[in-house]
Amino acid sequence: QVQLVQSGAEVKKPGDSVKISCKASGYTFNRYFIHWVRQAPGQGLEWLGLINPSGGSTTYAQKFQGRVTMTRDTSTSTVYMELSSLTSEDTALYYCARVGSPKYYYYMDVWGKGTTVIVSS
Amino acid sequence: IVLTQSPGTLSLSPGERATLSCRASQTVSSNYLAWYQQKPGQAPRLLIYGISSRAAGIPDRFSGSGSGTDFTLTISRLDPEDFAVYFCQQYGNARLTFGGGTKVEIK
Repeated sequence: QVQLVQSGAEVKKPGDSVKISCKASGYTFNRYFIHWVRQAPGQGLEWLGLINPSGGSTTYAQKFQGRVTMTRDTSTSTVYMELSSLTSEDTALYYCARVGSPKYYYYMDVWGKGTTVIVSS
Repeated sequence: IVLTQSPGTLSLSPGERATLSCRASQTVSSNYLAWYQQKPGQAPRLLIYGISSRAAGIPDRFSGSGSGTDFTLTISRLDPEDFAVYFCQQYGNARLTFGGGTKVEIK
């Protein structure tokens, strides 16, 4: 079955960077874009950006430009999201999510379980 | 594009009809509007895409409608498992945004 398995929880200090992985299985990795979305405790959903696993091209939300980097490893069907210069405001649950169609990448039909990132001094 | 969902909370009883609104600050491109359901401790679940297309496995009591800047998610008869938070989402001009969510709670 189609699955996205994310790496485990992280605890970081302000100013650190965090790199989260998202391993895909059950489908052709290169055909579906992957989005990254986060959710602060008790809050709504916030989009960080997306990556095309085929060529590695990315689109980042303006808010995170310069601070987020999304990459992929086609040999292991894994995408990565690195966020730098962390502050307490980055404490959140981070999700990767696959788009619903190779043709339309605006909606997400398969989500990972999320990776908790806590930023605290 | 800013998406504004209303009401913030909807208190209803099982069997009742739920009508959730999502209003966009600008016209949503190419019908790129989706709805998700989220329960506590779970990832969001896709319900509707392209304004009105139900995702795989979604019961037909869920329906989406609207155009331009005004969109609606309707749950025709609330099942106990439908009490959750619902988010709308749009994509356009290489930007993706979510609405703030509507919580559907048991009255």
